[in-house]
Amino acid sequence: GAVVSQHPSRVICKSGTSVKIECRSLDFQATTMFWYRQFPKQSLMLMATSNEGSKATYEQGVEKDKFLINHASLTLSTLTVTSAHPEDSSFYICSAASGTSGRDGELFFGEGSRLTVL
Amino acid sequence: GDSVTQMEGPVTLSEEAFLTINCTYTATGYPSLFWYVQYPGEGLQLLLKATKADDKGSNKGFEATYRKETTSFHLEKGSVQVSDSAVYFCALSNFGNEKLTFGTGTRLTIIP
Repeated sequence: GAVVSQHPSRVICKSGTSVKIECRSLDFQATTMFWYRQFPKQSLMLMATSNEGSKATYEQGVEKDKFLINHASLTLSTLTVTSAHPEDSSFYICSAASGTSGRDGELFFGEGSRLTVL
Repeated sequence: GDSVTQMEGPVTLSEEAFLTINCTYTATGYPSLFWYVQYPGEGLQLLLKATKADDKGSNKGFEATYRKETTSFHLEKGSVQVSDSAVYFCALSNFGNEKLTFGTGTRLTIIP
């Protein structure tokens, strides 16, 4: 299947700093990418949907100024957690859809990035 | 809104045991249902899916049947292997879009 890669897989930062997480589709063009957040023992929560070349659509309750999403090309989306605080510590996962694949539910997922804010 | 409830883990079974992981959903309309699997160190992968009532999805020996009357999509496998150890997520999508609503995930460990 298609490959989606996230980087970094783990990051530790100090409170108040910003952290960027990259999501790349390695062998296909991703028209749409999704960013999820997962808390321990909880389900994946969709944060936002990003379409190449346009602004991301954020889910209710997600601060767009806090979680900046950029989908500058068909193979790369980035999530920047700005002025991170300990409550932002979480597991962030991206997924990508190619053409119509997403409508059948076959999204391709990255390995996830664990953010720890001290 | 839409939601998915799946049995809490972790689940530990011996090799060749029968597996059931329960999943029920709440949704308006006619959602599509999915099981995703996440092996250690990897991203989630689609395991199987069903897009309408009474459909059965199957893959790698796993099966799940879309039961509209009980709003369920339980995952089953007749004889599990050590290589099946992973986290399993039940999910749905609605209105033909790409957004997935996930359950909490169930960690499965198979002991030789």
